[in-house]
Amino acid sequence: GAVVSQHPSRVICKSGTSVKIECRSLDFQATTMFWYRQFPKQSLMLMATSNEGSKATYEQGVEKDKFLINHASLTLSTLTVTSAHPEDSSFYICSAREQGGLVLSPLHFGNGTRLTVT
Amino acid sequence: SQQGEEDPQALSIQEGENATMNCSYKTSINNLQWYRQNSGRGLVHLILIRSNEREKHSGRLRVTLDTSKKSSSLLITASRAADTASYFCATDALGSARQLTFGSGTQLTVLP
Repeated sequence: GAVVSQHPSRVICKSGTSVKIECRSLDFQATTMFWYRQFPKQSLMLMATSNEGSKATYEQGVEKDKFLINHASLTLSTLTVTSAHPEDSSFYICSAREQGGLVLSPLHFGNGTRLTVT
Repeated sequence: SQQGEEDPQALSIQEGENATMNCSYKTSINNLQWYRQNSGRGLVHLILIRSNEREKHSGRLRVTLDTSKKSSSLLITASRAADTASYFCATDALGSARQLTFGSGTQLTVLP
């Protein structure tokens, strides 16, 4: 089945530094990838929709200069948390849908990245 | 934005019992999907039901959809300890640019 690889799975960084999270579709092409944030025991909140070759679409309330998204190829999207602060600590998850996939096709999720900012 | 509400928020049952989780949503949808999440991991797709379907089965899973009430239910029969996880419904809304909106989730614990 379709596999999405997300890396790193866990990262600890100091306040003020930047962290890059990668999301790769391993065996399919994805023109669109989605980035979610999840707080403990809560649901997934969509942060942005990443489109290959164009600018990402951010959800209301998500700072695009804070969360930089790059989708340079059909198999890779990256999320960079810039100048991280402790309140950015969270679980970040990416997902992708196969290129040309039917509207009815499910999303394939990465295993998430646990970010802790100290 | 989150539009789905699930209940119960948490459910604890004995192995072998059935588990029922409910999901309500607000807008018209193309389809509704159920996902499972083990603690600290990504989500795994379980089942998709189209807006013109009322019931669907997959192994020990049974999903119903009532578009008039904007609600869905997920039934897991003969539960196992390995079913312990969080379960989320997600709606693929009409005109949504193919993104999903997730419900609040139900934490299921199956006791051995």
